[in-house]
Amino acid sequence: DSGVTQTPKHLITATGQRVTLRCSPRSGDLSVYWYQQSLDQGLQFLIQYYNGEERAKGNILERFSAQQFPDLHSELNLSSLELGDSALYFCASSRTRTERGEQYFGPGTRLTVT
Amino acid sequence: EDQVTQSPEALRLQEGESSSLNCSYTVSGLRGLFWYRQDPGKGPEFLFTLYSAGEEKEKERLKATLTKKESFLHITAPKPEDSATYLCAVHTGFTGAGSYQLTFGKGTKLSVIP
Repeated sequence: DSGVTQTPKHLITATGQRVTLRCSPRSGDLSVYWYQQSLDQGLQFLIQYYNGEERAKGNILERFSAQQFPDLHSELNLSSLELGDSALYFCASSRTRTERGEQYFGPGTRLTVT
Repeated sequence: EDQVTQSPEALRLQEGESSSLNCSYTVSGLRGLFWYRQDPGKGPEFLFTLYSAGEEKEKERLKATLTKKESFLHITAPKPEDSATYLCAVHTGFTGAGSYQLTFGKGTKLSVIP
C-alpha cells in the first residue's frame, strides 16, 4: 500500500459526459501528479500540482483540468468525454516539488466511456 | 522529441535464470532515469532513480545501471514473485514554457516460471 488513495476505482459513463476523479496524497507529500495509462499509449504524464499550485503540464488535453485543494487532495476533471478517453488514470505523490524525488502511485481509477 | 524504448517487450524466465532488461533513450539533457515495477491492475511501484552514467543501484535481486544511451535492469536468480511489467522513464527537465518532460517506455512484461 503506497498510502495514496484514489476514488472511485471504476467509472463507467457515456460520451459527452463529465467526470471527476479524486486523489489523496500520502501524508506529508505536497506534490501530486496525474497520469493516463492506455494500452496503445502507455503511461503518460498529464499534470503536476505542488502545494496547491500548478507546477508543470504534460500531455493534458484542454478538455481536462485539475486542481489541488488546501488539504492537498486533488481532483482531475474530464469533460466532453470521448471513447478514446477510456483508460486507467493514476495519481502519484511525492515529498518535494521537484521531479528528482520518488513518486508513489495510487491504485488508479479505471474509466470506461461508452 | 524524447524517445524511450524498452526491450524485450516480453520475457519468460525459469526460476533462478538471471537476465537483463534494456531501456534505451534518445533525449536531450537527461536529468534522471526511473525504474518502476507494475503489477496487473495496480499503480507503478518505484524501484530506482539513476542520475548519471556509471551509476548503479541495487535492491534485493534487482540491479539497475546507467550509461549515456541506455539503462539495464539486471535480475539475478529471479523468483515467481518478480513477475510484473517493468517500466523505465526518463526525465529531461522543464522546457522554456514550463512543460515537464517525463517520458515512459512501454515496459517489459516479465514472467518467471517455477
